[in-house]
Amino acid sequence: GQQVMQIPQYQHVQEGEDFTTYCNSSTTLSNIQWYKQRPGGHPVFLIQLVKSGEVKKQKRLTFQFGEAKKNSSLHITATQTTDVGTYFCAGRPGGSQGNLIFGKGTKLSVKP
Amino acid sequence: DTGVSQDPRHKITKRGQNVTFRCDPISEHNRLYWYRQTLGQGPEFLTYFQNEAQLEKSRLLSDRFSAERPKGSFSTLEIQRTEQGDSAMYLCASSFYGQFSTDTQYFGPGTRLTVL
Repeated sequence: GQQVMQIPQYQHVQEGEDFTTYCNSSTTLSNIQWYKQRPGGHPVFLIQLVKSGEVKKQKRLTFQFGEAKKNSSLHITATQTTDVGTYFCAGRPGGSQGNLIFGKGTKLSVKP
Repeated sequence: DTGVSQDPRHKITKRGQNVTFRCDPISEHNRLYWYRQTLGQGPEFLTYFQNEAQLEKSRLLSDRFSAERPKGSFSTLEIQRTEQGDSAMYLCASSFYGQFSTDTQYFGPGTRLTVL
């Protein structure tokens, strides 16, 4: 079946270091979304990427969508303790108008 | 608060009992999604509605699971004859889907189910 793989599963960084999580789909996606889930919380939407090769920035966060629309990445520059949480990518398979397929997430911890 | 709400927040039940969860979406949203999330995993899609129509239900985990959205507003998820493996967080999300929308999904706080 369709899968969205996400690596790494865990990332521990020192405050101020950069962080990157990668997402790879077994099939072409029509779009990809990124969510953040704080410990004990629910997923919160960060961004959606639709176009091949798209790059979007939100302050210290940079999101990329691959040329083949099968992979994506989230990069955080100079992490802060407020960045702690699990980051999920969620892909919508090409031709689908419905369900999102979530990756297992990357759990980020930041040591002050 | 005009976000997605879910009730109850926690449910403890004995194996074999039926449980029903409710989700109230953001009022102007036409889509409503149900997910299940277990520890260390991402949300797992179960089903979704557009208005009152259930457009995808093949991902419901078994025939013990059913969902309704009778008037296109709130939705219920029922699990019959619960099993210990059903213990998880059940998340509801809503979105506005239209020609020029991003279909951003807004999640509720979830209902944590524990089956003893």
